[in-house]
Amino acid sequence: SQTIHQWPATLVQPVGSPLSLECTVEGTSNPNLYWYRQAAGRGLQLLFYSVGIGQISSEVPQNLSASRPQDRQFILSSKKLLLSDSGFYLCAWRPQQVSGANVLTFGAGSRLTVL
Amino acid sequence: SQKIEQNSEALNIQEGKTATLTCNYTNYSPAYLQWYRQDPGRGPVFLLLIRENEKEKRKERLKVTFDTTLKQSLFHITASQPADSATYLCAPYNQGGKLIFGQGTELSVKP
Repeated sequence: SQTIHQWPATLVQPVGSPLSLECTVEGTSNPNLYWYRQAAGRGLQLLFYSVGIGQISSEVPQNLSASRPQDRQFILSSKKLLLSDSGFYLCAWRPQQVSGANVLTFGAGSRLTVL
Repeated sequence: SQKIEQNSEALNIQEGKTATLTCNYTNYSPAYLQWYRQDPGRGPVFLLLIRENEKEKRKERLKVTFDTTLKQSLFHITASQPADSATYLCAPYNQGGKLIFGQGTELSVKP
């Protein structure tokens, strides 16, 4: 069966520090991968998605970046965090298939607090 | 641009009653619509998917409708229980498209 892992689960970072959140999927190959952010009391905002290694689409201009160095690994990074980067970051995946289902499976999330 | 609206106010109902949540969308014509449940501090979990040619879909105590004329989906939970308390998110989309979510409606079921 497929599983998705995100880490770290929680982190507190000072403004201006770098960020690296990691997401890996097991039990499948060539998945579509997504990064969402959820600010406190707000909805899910799509940040990045990837349909393959090295293929990243950015949805929202910001100081965040994403990379996909391996088929089942998706990394969210920042060189210098802002206060506004605080939030709940969710990684998600779905099978790379031509289907109307598009059902996403989410990780447990990473809660980032920037001070 | 595409816009998805869900009731931003929390819905409070009594146990045993039917909860009805609304999802409205504008500026596009999705062929599919999904509903997810999100508990505090957790990732969303998929509940139901309905296609544009399906007017209604049921799964146990859950029922979803999809009115492409009104550009609206209704999500019903019958015989609600305190364990149904959560935030419910809708995501209308087209095949191969990115999943964009509404802001969610928080449901609170009181015993």
